This record gives sequence, C-alpha cells and structure tokens, in this order.
Amino acid sequence: GNSVTQMEGPVTLSEEAFLTINCTYTATGYPSLFWYVQYPGEGLQLLLKATKADDKGSNKGFEATYRKETTSFHLEKGSVQVSDSAVYFCALIKAAGNKLTFGGGTRVLVKP
Amino acid sequence: GAGVSQSPRYKVAKRGRDVALRCDSISGHVTLYWYRQTLGQGSEVLTYSQSDAQRDKSGRPSGRFSAERPERSVSTLKIQRTEQGDSAVYLCASRTGDSSYNEQFFGPGTRLTVL
Repeated sequence: GNSVTQMEGPVTLSEEAFLTINCTYTATGYPSLFWYVQYPGEGLQLLLKATKADDKGSNKGFEATYRKETTSFHLEKGSVQVSDSAVYFCALIKAAGNKLTFGGGTRVLVKP
Repeated sequence: GAGVSQSPRYKVAKRGRDVALRCDSISGHVTLYWYRQTLGQGSEVLTYSQSDAQRDKSGRPSGRFSAERPERSVSTLKIQRTEQGDSAVYLCASRTGDSSYNEQFFGPGTRLTVL
C-alpha cells in the first residue's frame, strides 16, 4: 500500500535558520505529492504540491522537488520566521485515487 | 468566504458511548472526506462521499464508524461504542469534483478524547 514517512519532530530553530524536513514515500505508479501545514488552532492548509517527477513546488519561501529516483519530496526554506512555527505534513495522492495518504507530521518551532 | 467548519472542536466521551461529529463543507464542493489524525502516526481516511444532484455515493467503513450526509454540504461522522483507541483528531475535508488532484480544503478538526 501507499505510505509516507517524514522525519519526527519537534524541530527547533532560530529565526533566519535554514529548514529541511525530509519526506519519502512508497507508492506504485506516479503519485502527486503535497505538503500541508497546520498552524496552531487551524485546519490543514495546502502549502505546495508537485504532480510529476522533477517538478518543484514553491510557496511562501518554501520549496520541494519531486524526486522519483529517491522517492523523496523534502521541504526546504532558506530563512524561517517565527510565523513558520506549525506542524508540517507530507502527503500523496495516487494517480487513480483521490484520498490523501499523510505522513506523521513534523512539528517545527522557530524561536526569535 | 466561509471555509470548512467542524463541531464540536473538542469532545470527551466515556468509553462505550456513541459520538457524532459534524462537518460543514464549502458550498459547491462535491466530495467530502473524513480523516483520523494521530500525530506521529499520520492520517488515515475513514470515509468519503460524493454527491451531486443525481446521486449520493457514500464510502461507509465497516465496523463502528459511519458517515451520513443529510445535506449536500453537511456530513456527520458517527462512532459507535467508542474505545480509547479512538482518541484522535478527526478532520473533515472537501473539494470540487473536477479532478482527483484538486486541493482538499480542511476544517480545524475535532479532538476526541475517550476516557
């Protein structure tokens, strides 16, 4: 079956530090890949997505590249802000399906 | 405009009791999902339903979980005979019906604690 594995948190950073959250997946075919973010007290929000190999999704300074050869979709941001403190979820949708499969989530805390 | 809302936001239930969780999706969205989220263990889809003017297809999980859709933009997730392992955050999401890859919009979740 499909699965998504992401690094466990919490990840604690200082403001302006570089952030990487690793994500790898297992799926047959060519899934679409997503990063969702959940801010405190709010619902999941789509952060970025990539629908085919070598695509790069980007939004709000975050980037992730769909790497089929390593089945990875690592999330990066060059300079984090306190407002980036949230839980980040990597997810996939299989080509033929419509249900998201999520990783376990990574809590990120950015300190001033 | 209004997003997806869920109620209650927090629910405490005694083991063995039935609970009902409500989701109000975005008007015009066709497909509605219920996920169970456990931090560190990911999220699993419990059920989904698609509805349009002609039909209502509900994915009903076996066992103690069921979902009803009394109105097009309303869904109720019912959990019968709750167990402690049901403690989790239950997320509702909806999307338009154009494509499977369309963004799913999530509600804030209901945190269920079973004692």
